[in-house]
Amino acid sequence: NAGVTQTPKFRVLKTGQSMTLLCAQDMNHEYMYWYRQDPGMGLRLIHYSVGEGTTAKGEVPDGYNVSRLKKQNFLLGLESAAPSQTSVYFCASSSGDVDEQYFGPGTRLTVT
Amino acid sequence: TQLLEQSPQFLSIQEGENLTVYCNSSSVFSSLQWYRQEPGEGPVLLVTVVTGGEVKKLKRLTFQFGDARKDSSLHITAAQPGDTGLYLCADTDSWGKLQFGAGTQVVVTP
Repeated sequence: NAGVTQTPKFRVLKTGQSMTLLCAQDMNHEYMYWYRQDPGMGLRLIHYSVGEGTTAKGEVPDGYNVSRLKKQNFLLGLESAAPSQTSVYFCASSSGDVDEQYFGPGTRLTVT
Repeated sequence: TQLLEQSPQFLSIQEGENLTVYCNSSSVFSSLQWYRQEPGEGPVLLVTVVTGGEVKKLKRLTFQFGDARKDSSLHITAAQPGDTGLYLCADTDSWGKLQFGAGTQVVVTP
């Protein structure tokens, strides 16, 4: 039981490049979330999904897109990376809206 | 927009000392969760409090929820180096969305 896994762990992009971050969970959770963490600002919600095939915007969705084609996977895409997207990205999943969220180990992204 | 403020931002203490960190909200919490995050890892849930005035204990950690459900505190008794980490409070919203405070970085030195 791996819980929540994220790939890659580290990535450096140049401005304008694109990439996809993959989140996978093996707990059969319905809900999945993408957050970013910046120094002094805690974690902020980017997008979330309450079930396979559904996605919704969070607090800071601009510049990101997501897809939930399979229940166990939640993908975060950056179409044209900007230095402001340099951050640590965390994925989380839960079985319900009042339940504990389980976080992955994070992806450290640097955009130069 | 709800604002969550955590204080202090940073706390450094010696092993065996006690510490308290605080979380205050500009509006009433739906329910409050406390997480601990260690370097290079994601946050891990410590406790969820829902009822005003509620007190929960987890070994050496004591969590209090204010009567008006707008503030909370986390008290650690006889801190150990393993308590080192970033302590985050978060309010839960519809669909389980979490709004986090900026966190309190706690360092416990042997």
